[in-house]
Formats: sequence, structure tokens, C-alpha cells
Amino acid sequence: QKEVEQDPGPLSVPEGAIVSLNCTYSNSAFQYFMWYRQYSRKGPELLMYTYSSGNKEDGRFTAQVDKSSKYISLFIRDSQPSDSATYLCAMNSPGGYNKLIFGAGTRLAVHP
Amino acid sequence: GAGVSQSPSNKVTEKGKDVELRCDPISGHTALYWYRQRLGQGLEFLIYFQGNSAPDKSGLPSDRFSAERTGESVSTLTIQRTQQEDSAVYLCASSYKGSDSPLHFGNGTRLTVT
Repeated sequence: QKEVEQDPGPLSVPEGAIVSLNCTYSNSAFQYFMWYRQYSRKGPELLMYTYSSGNKEDGRFTAQVDKSSKYISLFIRDSQPSDSATYLCAMNSPGGYNKLIFGAGTRLAVHP
Repeated sequence: GAGVSQSPSNKVTEKGKDVELRCDPISGHTALYWYRQRLGQGLEFLIYFQGNSAPDKSGLPSDRFSAERTGESVSTLTIQRTQQEDSAVYLCASSYKGSDSPLHFGNGTRLTVT
């Protein structure tokens, strides 16, 4: 079993839809949770960074962490064609360095 | 440009040849990381540098892989006697300090071994 599981999709939605992306994990030591967005032929760029449980909102993006269920989510409101990309979840244990464990990534397509 | 720079962006090589991949981190970033991304898969950690020392090399797949870093500057990842399974995108990232600082990734080197 992988430490981080993420449905690879692809996920296709119409413009304006609410998108829900999810990851589950097995290591209860993880405390830092991140979502990266990766456009084709580009490096991942950090979207959201959350410590421990709870919600964090930034514009149209909301990240949720439920440590009791070992489940994290990213919600995208009012999705736009420019949101079409691969979304990678990543996580890390505290006290060390950024040896991030990544999910496989979910490919999202938002069509006009 | 202030981002992480990687070269070459694409590399095609024959099986058995050696390749060298280069990473220029963001100026002032002391931590540098190499990750590998195979087609349709997440990123796999390869090696971590703090300054020019590598406290964690645990992700290097075999002794054909090695990396070095000059001070807090350029890093090179070398793959000797390349195999077809080495085909992947090799991503470099840097961060301001080792822990709890977000990673900034380059656009990667797409390596194809024929």
C-alpha cells in the first residue's frame, strides 16, 4: 500500500463547477499538507500549505485536512479553463526537511 | 529570472551512456532537492542537500546515480550507464531553509533513454 493514495482521474467538469480533489494517507506522523498544481511540461507550483487539521481558504481554493480520517481535500469554486492541470497532494512530517511524499496527481480538465 | 533553473530541458540518450543534469537554485536557498517523476506517477524523492552536504541520499535508486552541489549554488545529478527505466522527468527544487519552508520547483529535465 502506498503512503499516499490519490485518484489519478482524469476529472472533466464544465466551467463554473465546484471541483473536489482528495487524498488519503497512512502515516499518522504527517502534519504538513500541501497541494501543488502542475501544468503540462512545467514544474509543480505550490497552491496551498496547511499545518495539522482544519480548513484554509485562498480565493477560489479551500484546503481541508481531517487527521482523524487521514484524509485531505482541495476544493475549487467557480472552476475556470485555466484551472486545467494536474493537482498533486504532498505531505511531510515535522522536525526534518522537505522530504515530501506525493500522491500520483489528479488530472483535471475544465471545459468552457 | 528568480526561479529555479534546470538544464537541459530535454535530453535523449542511448542506453549505456552517461548523462549530467544541472540545477541552479534560487539565490539564497540553502536547501536543494532532486525528485523524479515517472509518467503518470507522483514525485519520488531522490536526494537532499543542505549547503554542499547531502544528509539524505536514501532515494537514489542505484549506485549509477550520484549528485553533488557546489556550496549553496549549482547542483548536478549524474546518471551513469543509463537504462530505459531511467526515462522520467527529473525535477529540482530549492527552499530557503531545510524545514517547513515551501519548495520551489524548476521545470525539470525530461530524460528519454532509447
